[in-house]
Amino acid sequence: GQQVMQIPQYQHVQEGEDFTTYCNSSTTLSNIQWYKQRPGGHPVFLIQLVKSGEVKKQKRLTFQFGEAKKNSSLHITATQTTDVGTYFCAGVFTNAGKSTFGDGTTLTVKP
Amino acid sequence: SAVISQKPSRDICQRGTSLTIQCQVDSQVTMMFWYRQQPGQSLTLIATANQGSEATYESGFVIDKFPISRPNLTFSTLTVSNMSPEDSSIYLCSVLPGHSYEQYFGPGTRLTVT
Repeated sequence: GQQVMQIPQYQHVQEGEDFTTYCNSSTTLSNIQWYKQRPGGHPVFLIQLVKSGEVKKQKRLTFQFGEAKKNSSLHITATQTTDVGTYFCAGVFTNAGKSTFGDGTTLTVKP
Repeated sequence: SAVISQKPSRDICQRGTSLTIQCQVDSQVTMMFWYRQQPGQSLTLIATANQGSEATYESGFVIDKFPISRPNLTFSTLTVSNMSPEDSSIYLCSVLPGHSYEQYFGPGTRLTVT
């Protein structure tokens, strides 16, 4: 079946360092969403990207959608301890009508 | 956005029994989903709960094991039937309140089967 691959699985950073997680698909996505799940919590919607090459920013978070709409990234600048959690991408394949979640990247931040 | 509640928040059940999980949304939504999440794992879609018709199940999930009801646009239930320890997981409902794929999740039900 169609899959969304996400790397890395884990990332440990020192507070203040940057962090990036990547999602890749072998086929074109109609759109992609990003979610954050804090330890013990449920996934919380962050953003949706729809257009080829789209870039969106939310404070220290920058989201990109590739030109071919097959890959996406989430970059956090100057991480803080509040950024700890698992970040999931979820892609929607054309005519799928549902999202396919990546495996997630778990971020830990050392103060 | 949407506010979603789930009941129970957690339960410990004996193998062979069944548990029904409820999902209540504070507004009418067309699309509602049920997911399973093993500890430290990603989200696996079980089914789409369709209002007024049978749920649409994903590969590997069957109605006899996970019957779903969707009596109206604000409520759904998922039953985990004839449970085994392998069913121990977190079960989450989610909704699409608008016309995009922006999903909102309930707090989840943590199920342990002994």
